[in-house]
Amino acid sequence: GAVVSQHPSWVICKSGTSVKIECRSLDFQATTMFWYRQFPKQSLMLMATSNEGSKATYEQGVEKDKFLINHASLTLSTLTVTSAHPEDSSFYICSASLRQGGDTIYFGEGSWLTVV
Amino acid sequence: DQQVKQNSPSLSVQEGRISILNCDYTNSMFDYFLWYKKYPAEGPTFLISISSIKDKNEDGRFTVFLNKSAKHLSLHIVPSQPGDSAVYFCAAPPGPDKLIFGTGTRLQVFP
Repeated sequence: GAVVSQHPSWVICKSGTSVKIECRSLDFQATTMFWYRQFPKQSLMLMATSNEGSKATYEQGVEKDKFLINHASLTLSTLTVTSAHPEDSSFYICSASLRQGGDTIYFGEGSWLTVV
Repeated sequence: DQQVKQNSPSLSVQEGRISILNCDYTNSMFDYFLWYKKYPAEGPTFLISISSIKDKNEDGRFTVFLNKSAKHLSLHIVPSQPGDSAVYFCAAPPGPDKLIFGTGTRLQVFP
């Protein structure tokens, strides 16, 4: 079964509004989670590292004020796309690792965001 | 700068034959590599990994080969099955638990 769960699986929002995507680790605690984005027919690109209890670390070129990340508990990280625009439409995926530094990285099911 | 590259966007293989998916990387500091299988609108599913201290890792029908001098790895699937049809990504960790993905190769296995 899934060890990392995302919600919602898909969401449509109007341009200018904000939308929140949740990522939960199931049955394990994750002090660090990661957010990726995939545009159609492109690769998954790391957006940011979500750190429990502290600020997220963003990859170069990712707007931290636009993609707000909150990691308030050891099992939940949220990504909020603020003032969404059609170009933000993408597939957002989170990941968490069962143990740090190991090859036990699990991905959520992904969340399709369409901004109209 | 694309640190992990998959130069073949697609591959078509007959059922029962071998599928070979290739991946090249530029950063010699990567200490392990992973292969993921992905269907549209789903998260990647881990397939197999290999440590940089090894040159081969096998798991059932899946074998990954690593050539460090060439900075090249490949995933072999044999025998290929129609259910293997998906997009395959190789990935490497620039830091603990986060990944850089290749551009992916779409594998189609036909009967």
